[in-house]
Amino acid sequence: DQQVKQNSPSLSVQEGRISILNCDYTNSMFDYFLWYKKYPAEGPTFLISISSIKDKNEDGRFTVFLNKSAKHLSLHIVPSQPGDSAVYFCAASAGGGTSYGKLTFGQGTILTVHP
Amino acid sequence: NAGVTQTPKFRILKIGQSMTLQCTQDMNHNYMYWYRQDPGMGLKLIYYSVGAGITDKGEVPNGYNVSRSTTEDFPLRLELAAPSQTSVYFCASRSTRNTEAFFGQGTRLTVV
Repeated sequence: DQQVKQNSPSLSVQEGRISILNCDYTNSMFDYFLWYKKYPAEGPTFLISISSIKDKNEDGRFTVFLNKSAKHLSLHIVPSQPGDSAVYFCAASAGGGTSYGKLTFGQGTILTVHP
Repeated sequence: NAGVTQTPKFRILKIGQSMTLQCTQDMNHNYMYWYRQDPGMGLKLIYYSVGAGITDKGEVPNGYNVSRSTTEDFPLRLELAAPSQTSVYFCASRSTRNTEAFFGQGTRLTVV
């Protein structure tokens, strides 16, 4: 049972345009969501997060939107840059302190930004 | 600041062999995790620890063991390697206050 799903395996975008990566979840207990970025042969690095009490969080070029009723979140990158080309993972955790930070990951979306 | 360090980076094992994947962090984090990533899949939690001497199973613990004798170290042990354990293994750590986990660079393990 895939509790966090990223249905688009890949996304190709022109430099300067907007990249939108999507993520759906099924577990209503998830209350914290994170996006990680991963380059080849490296570990995932934290990008941005959002608590379930918010519907938007912004950090520079990166904005995450959360729609709790639809159990859907999205990551917007504006403007996209070639250095943004990487695999993006959506992750979720449940239960606040009792979850001990355990994360459930989506399958990842490969983003390619063309110059 | 080294963060989370994993060794080795690559390893080839024969079926039935055993090995220990090492993980150490220098951020004084209480929480540590082991994940595996199979091709085209997300990361799956193998084991986690909330402090020295305390470990618990994650989603896919079969075939693995862990220990946490110090805050810094969280080794992962494979006793009888099987081809199904061919994967990339990531160690991560997190403080009890923040929600962001820091990951190591990964260990690519092939069992033949």
